[in-house]
Amino acid sequence: GAVVSQHPSWVICKSGTSVKIECRSLDFQATTMFWYRQFPKQSLMLMATSNEGSKATYEQGVEKDKFLINHASLTLSTLTVTSAHPEDSSFYICSAKTSGRADTQYFGPGTRLTVL
Amino acid sequence: AQSVTQPDIHITVSEGASLELRCNYSYGATPYLFWYVQSPGQGLQLLLKYFSGDTLVQGIKGFEAEFKRSQSSFNLRKPSVHWSDAAEYFCAVGAPNTGNQFYFGTGTSLTVIP
Repeated sequence: GAVVSQHPSWVICKSGTSVKIECRSLDFQATTMFWYRQFPKQSLMLMATSNEGSKATYEQGVEKDKFLINHASLTLSTLTVTSAHPEDSSFYICSAKTSGRADTQYFGPGTRLTVL
Repeated sequence: AQSVTQPDIHITVSEGASLELRCNYSYGATPYLFWYVQSPGQGLQLLLKYFSGDTLVQGIKGFEAEFKRSQSSFNLRKPSVHWSDAAEYFCAVGAPNTGNQFYFGTGTSLTVIP
């Protein structure tokens, strides 16, 4: 149980285009989902927290107009990187939790974004 | 403020040897504590977690961790390492009942030599 998927697993796009990444909880309802960014050989940096049906809470320094987060249902959150630039290239990981699982976060497999 | 320290950036052990990865945290009360493992290009897999009760926690893949309040530590151990254990290990702290942010350590990279 507690499986989280991400799609796509990797994506290459041109500078200036937008990319959408999906995060799904497959066997549980996720009241809260988190989006992280990870640079090579570094730890995870929390970008934003999203609760189903409400606006995401962004961490300081994260541009909410650039990284659009939608948590439309209890099993799906999306991260859209708008007008992507090469510096947005990174590994993006989502996680999900539900109140019934005592604050444990379950992570997706990550999405490798490369912006040319 | 909460913080997590993993003092060892990289550790190399021989296959079959024992392993201990260190984790120290800073938090005003007893936090929720987690260890995750990440293989290259993959997401994080939960190894084990501590919320309360018995301070020695058993996890998957033969790992265990011990919560020591007096030392603010939650070290991960395995008695006999396998080559497949080579990965990045992250310790994380969650504040109880906030429902939100985890604080991750910077990770320890484990290399296993035959």
